[in-house]
Amino acid sequence: TQLLEQSPQFLSIQEGENLTVYCNSSSVFSSLQWYRQEPGEGPVLLVTVVTGGEVKKLKRLTFQFGDARKDSSLHITAAQPGDTGLYLCAGNDALTNTGNQFYFGTGTSLTVIP
Amino acid sequence: GAGVSQSPSNKVTEKGKDVELRCDPISGHTALYWYRQSLGQGLEFLIYFQGNSAPDKSGLPSDRFSAERTGGSVSTLTIQRTQQEDSAVYLCASSLPGGTYEQYFGPGTRLTVT
Repeated sequence: TQLLEQSPQFLSIQEGENLTVYCNSSSVFSSLQWYRQEPGEGPVLLVTVVTGGEVKKLKRLTFQFGDARKDSSLHITAAQPGDTGLYLCAGNDALTNTGNQFYFGTGTSLTVIP
Repeated sequence: GAGVSQSPSNKVTEKGKDVELRCDPISGHTALYWYRQSLGQGLEFLIYFQGNSAPDKSGLPSDRFSAERTGGSVSTLTIQRTQQEDSAVYLCASSLPGGTYEQYFGPGTRLTVT
């Protein structure tokens, strides 16, 4: 069952522009993770958010967890070509909270044009 | 230290043959996950191992899929009588239990069934 929807699915922007990627669900998550994946490699963890309303910043990336812990967003400021990749969100089910079931979103493919 | 490794990196097989995919997790990581990823898509959970506990097999798509983990370390995912729809990238991840279950992924095995 696909519980997490990401939007947009594809995004192509010019270097220096800002962008926001969304991750939405009708389910409540105990924690939510964001990953970036480059072609031919496995996803690499960017951040984990656990508290409703939490905001985390990682250089030019800002992550927010919704107050109800059902959604999250990733905002990139002044995008660079090195930001190109597939961005994935993944939620850990708050109902089971056993740690063994992570639901991944469909992904947002970002291309930053120099 | 060494990350998660997977072998082979690429596997081409004929329909109906069996294949084995291997994952070496990070030393000391007791949790191990297998996922399947179709081209440019999100990750589909397959199976989860945690220490000596019984694995969570709820994501395995059919009885042709099985996995084992020997000595709490190396894991092997076996697909019997492969079908063309099994073609995908198979990703392995490991993590420390508890907390936010941050996962560290291997580079994946690209399986092509002809």
